[in-house]
Amino acid sequence: SQQGEEDPQALSIQEGENATMNCSYKTSINNLQWYRQNSGRGLVHLILIRSNEREKHSGRLRVTLDTSKKSSSLLITASRAADTASYFCATDSNTGNQFYFGTGTSLTVIP
Amino acid sequence: GAVVSQHPSWVICKSGTSVKIECRSLDFQATTMFWYRQFPKQSLMLMATSNEGSKATYEQGVEKDKFLINHASLTLSTLTVTSAHPEDSSFYICSAAPYYGYTFGSGTRLTVV
Repeated sequence: SQQGEEDPQALSIQEGENATMNCSYKTSINNLQWYRQNSGRGLVHLILIRSNEREKHSGRLRVTLDTSKKSSSLLITASRAADTASYFCATDSNTGNQFYFGTGTSLTVIP
Repeated sequence: GAVVSQHPSWVICKSGTSVKIECRSLDFQATTMFWYRQFPKQSLMLMATSNEGSKATYEQGVEKDKFLINHASLTLSTLTVTSAHPEDSSFYICSAAPYYGYTFGSGTRLTVV
């Protein structure tokens, strides 16, 4: 399976703290993306990082990519209760357009 | 731009009946659409890749006779869950190329009773 793995599976932090989630994948990729999913809802695209990039920022989000280790991390700084959601990484294979999702991290931010 | 509309957003059906889910690209032509399934508290799993005018390509372990995919036009793909059973209850979501990585439908929650 090309599905990635994320850790931790669940993370609970206090509002204002930083949250870090990690994603590992198995095959060579063109891009890696992070998505957010609120309970029972569709996906919201957060950020894309290309295979030739090492770090990318978007607001309170910071994503890193280490292609040698086939891993990525998502950092959410100064977390808010509204950040409570599941976060998934998704990779595309360099042979096609399919996306494969990681197992997800369930983040709970306690007000 | 690049909006994908998925309908219905939720459906409850009786065991043994069939349910059709539609995925439309509203402002672009989608040569390829992807269907995913998500069980509670699990990740999204790619079920199949749908190419306009040709047969869908199914991922290993997905029954093509049970999950019928039709991509008859460049803006519409449908997923029909045939003879649904309670274990088919899941969240189904589509995405569309060329904006595949960015553009997902809002999902359909199927409950089979």
